[in-house]
Amino acid sequence: GESVGLHLPTLSVQEGDNSIINCAYSNSASDYFIWYKQESGKGPQFIIDIRSNMDKRQGQRVTVLLNKTVKHLSLQIAATQPGDSAVYFCAENIDSGYSTLTFGKGTMLLVSP
Amino acid sequence: DTAVSQTPKYLVTQMGNDKSIKCEQNLGHDTMYWYKQDSKKFLKIMFSYNNKELIINETVPNRFSPKSPDKAHLNLHINSLELGDSAVYFCASSPAGQGTRGTQYFGPGTRLTVL
Repeated sequence: GESVGLHLPTLSVQEGDNSIINCAYSNSASDYFIWYKQESGKGPQFIIDIRSNMDKRQGQRVTVLLNKTVKHLSLQIAATQPGDSAVYFCAENIDSGYSTLTFGKGTMLLVSP
Repeated sequence: DTAVSQTPKYLVTQMGNDKSIKCEQNLGHDTMYWYKQDSKKFLKIMFSYNNKELIINETVPNRFSPKSPDKAHLNLHINSLELGDSAVYFCASSPAGQGTRGTQYFGPGTRLTVL
């Protein structure tokens, strides 16, 4: 359900489930994408990145999928744990000299024990 | 051994005051940033410095003035604070050779509340 207070999309899962967080990015020229995790009261923390010449990249318990055709990025978390509860952001970047990271809206992941 | 540190963590002040937030990174990075995160968690770049030089200034009121005394520090000074300046401000840095691409390492944030 949606978190009315923060107006963030919210994904609620049970511990041990797999989670999928989705992101629609805005610029078709973006060629580098990052997922960040932000726990309450902390700064965003790098999780995983992917370049546009790939469509899948795996890390420890996390997988990022990139679909450039529909400008869609997803983060899959396997065997979700309570410590995964946080706000997750996707960010996009264009390789054109000094360009900025543009962050998406964020999705809150709530993991119940 | 904190990588990116900010002070203060909390800042409560009256409208019209001038305040500064300090940022230091001990990662040896050349590029540093300031971001603003609003109450809806939306994170937006404000400034970016590379080796003490301003390279990005994203439509920020000139009441905000970043200062980089050396490449390990990027401070943010805000004049004539307004209610709308209330937010969490994050400092970040990224390694040399990547400009604004690549992994950015974020500080813990400074929560600014303007009354």
